Amino acid sequence: GESVGLHLPTLSVQEGDNSIINCAYSNSASDYFIWYKQESGKGPQFIIDIRSNMDKRQGQRVTVLLNKTVKHLSLQIAATQPGDSAVYFCAENPQETGNQFYFGTGTSLTVIP
Amino acid sequence: DAGVTQSPTHLIKTRGQQVTLRCSPKSGHDTVSWYQQALGQGPQFIFQYYEEEERQRGNFPDRFSGHQFPNYSSELNVNALLLGDSALYLCASSPARSGAFFGQGTRLTVV
Repeated sequence: GESVGLHLPTLSVQEGDNSIINCAYSNSASDYFIWYKQESGKGPQFIIDIRSNMDKRQGQRVTVLLNKTVKHLSLQIAATQPGDSAVYFCAENPQETGNQFYFGTGTSLTVIP
Repeated sequence: DAGVTQSPTHLIKTRGQQVTLRCSPKSGHDTVSWYQQALGQGPQFIFQYYEEEERQRGNFPDRFSGHQFPNYSSELNVNALLLGDSALYLCASSPARSGAFFGQGTRLTVV
């Protein structure tokens, strides 16, 4: 099976600080990655994606960095807000699996007001 | 656009029973995937439907089956329910090979 893991299961940050959530993946054939945010009692919400031909992609207050050499992915959230408190998952999509995604266990982000 | 909708939101079943969960994909999406999410874990891929056929399958027993209809909506069926089948069942829809958008899920409890 696939192995997508997160380095820190929990992360607490002060409101206004930047957050960095890390993820390691194991399948070198993975060429598409997505970060999801999941709030309690809700389904995962798409945040940002990146394909393997890119090293960095920016969205609104979020940046995803991809290091294919060490098979590492990170999500940076700028000026973290209380509404950012949730569990964050990275998901990888190996090219040969079509649209099948493999998720890690997740990192729980808590924003302290 | 209603996004991905799932029904029911919650369900309680007894061991050995059968259950059917339903999903309507986001408008314009023709691919539907089903995931099982146990408490405190990430979603695990069950299978994916495209053009009314199962295209990919994860490591789940044959008790888990599905169907996709011409309007792209989908059903997940689980037979002979076990206590371990208790989980949040998520439906995700997408156009081909792009980010999947998830519904709110169906919380299944097997007692």
